[in-house]
Amino acid sequence: DTEVTQTPKHLVMGMTNKKSLKCEQHMGHRAMYWYKQKAKKPPELMFVYSYEKLSINESVPSRFSPECPNSSLLNLHLHALQPEDSALYLCASSQWAEGAMVYEQYFGPGTRLTVT
Amino acid sequence: AQSVTQLGSHVSVSEGALVLLRCNYSSSVPPYLFWYVQYPNQGLQLLLKYTSAATLVKGINGFEAEFKKSETSFHLTKPSAHMSDAAEYFCAVRHSGNTPLVFGKGTRLSVIA
Repeated sequence: DTEVTQTPKHLVMGMTNKKSLKCEQHMGHRAMYWYKQKAKKPPELMFVYSYEKLSINESVPSRFSPECPNSSLLNLHLHALQPEDSALYLCASSQWAEGAMVYEQYFGPGTRLTVT
Repeated sequence: AQSVTQLGSHVSVSEGALVLLRCNYSSSVPPYLFWYVQYPNQGLQLLLKYTSAATLVKGINGFEAEFKKSETSFHLTKPSAHMSDAAEYFCAVRHSGNTPLVFGKGTRLSVIA
């Protein structure tokens, strides 16, 4: 099974709402990622977790709060978002490389977020 | 810093024609290179990856790419385009095993019947 699942597929939220995005993988991967993708642009890295610990935060505003409760789950908590945060949010996972190995990232289908 | 440049934001080919999508990398060390495809309203799917084992890499859906160090290129090709190949294609590079992927700007492939 090489599947990364994301829920919900679509989300519409107001600027005062609190919502969460969920990502799950059962491939035993110890690295998980959140990306933001605007239309006609490549994905932009937001956060990286390795062994359930936050290892990279690409200067993302605090209205985005990631959480990795266990090795299979990754959440992104959203609060007080702005309309410009509307985008496709992609989750990915990969094996954590030891030594010279390089592993590919597997991506989920994404959550299409609209902030009104 | 590592980066990739994709030449051509939009490529249009006829069905059955050769597909060539260009990617050049900038790296001071041997790079790890990937091609991903994204169909409308979907996530990214790995087509193939180069990790120095072989310069000609075969991927899924009939795609392949050749690593040319002298040209710092990793172009993606397919001998005969299908309508189903219409999508956005991203070239990406990783400096080492655990560094984040760095994506190119993407190339949209259109296939004309």
